[in-house]
Amino acid sequence: EAGVAQSPRYKIIEKRQSVAFWCNPISGHATLYWYQQILGQGPKLLIQFQNNGVVDDSQLPKDRFSAERLKGVDSTLKIQPAKLEDSAVYLCASSSRPGGGGKNIQYFGAGTRLSVL
Amino acid sequence: LAKTTQPISMDSYEGQEVNITCSHNNIATNDYITWYQQFPSQGPRFIIQGYKTKVTNEVASLFIPADRKSSTLSLPRVSLSDTAVYYCLVGGGADGLTFGKGTHLIIQP
Repeated sequence: EAGVAQSPRYKIIEKRQSVAFWCNPISGHATLYWYQQILGQGPKLLIQFQNNGVVDDSQLPKDRFSAERLKGVDSTLKIQPAKLEDSAVYLCASSSRPGGGGKNIQYFGAGTRLSVL
Repeated sequence: LAKTTQPISMDSYEGQEVNITCSHNNIATNDYITWYQQFPSQGPRFIIQGYKTKVTNEVASLFIPADRKSSTLSLPRVSLSDTAVYYCLVGGGADGLTFGKGTHLIIQP
């Protein structure tokens, strides 16, 4: 079974530029998550999709971050314009379980490391 | 989501058994306890999950006392490749996970 695919692996941009990250979840996984991981910290949830609908985007800085999952499969996370503090690893994860229930195993991609100069 | 507390770091030696304890005093009735492992430059990887008593798989064991206010991840006979950050999380449903800073486990030869 293929895992969660993310691209690019690395990206270096200057502040105020825009950048986009792509994620392809595990086939059949309805739930998709984007996390931000700053060096030395645990991942922080940015947004959660259930199929192509947003379930939780309470921690997404909506003035500069946007995300979409138009066909309920692949997803794109965009930052425009980038700030220095956006330097982090952006992780995508997917899960087969829909809402409700106790068990929820998330499968993570390798992430995209963003450096904003 | 229930908050978790775990040691910032631990170290051990190859061949030893390592136990990492996590406190989660406010765990809810329908919450599961899940542990993830993260290596540098990789995303977190699921290790084990449990609700109560003991769970064992090919990688680790998870011990959960009756009150479920804590849990212990046990790694048998660790090797250098077990050096990683280990996260303890509690929650239910398909919500996004709330990660703490995790436990940095360093295995020495």
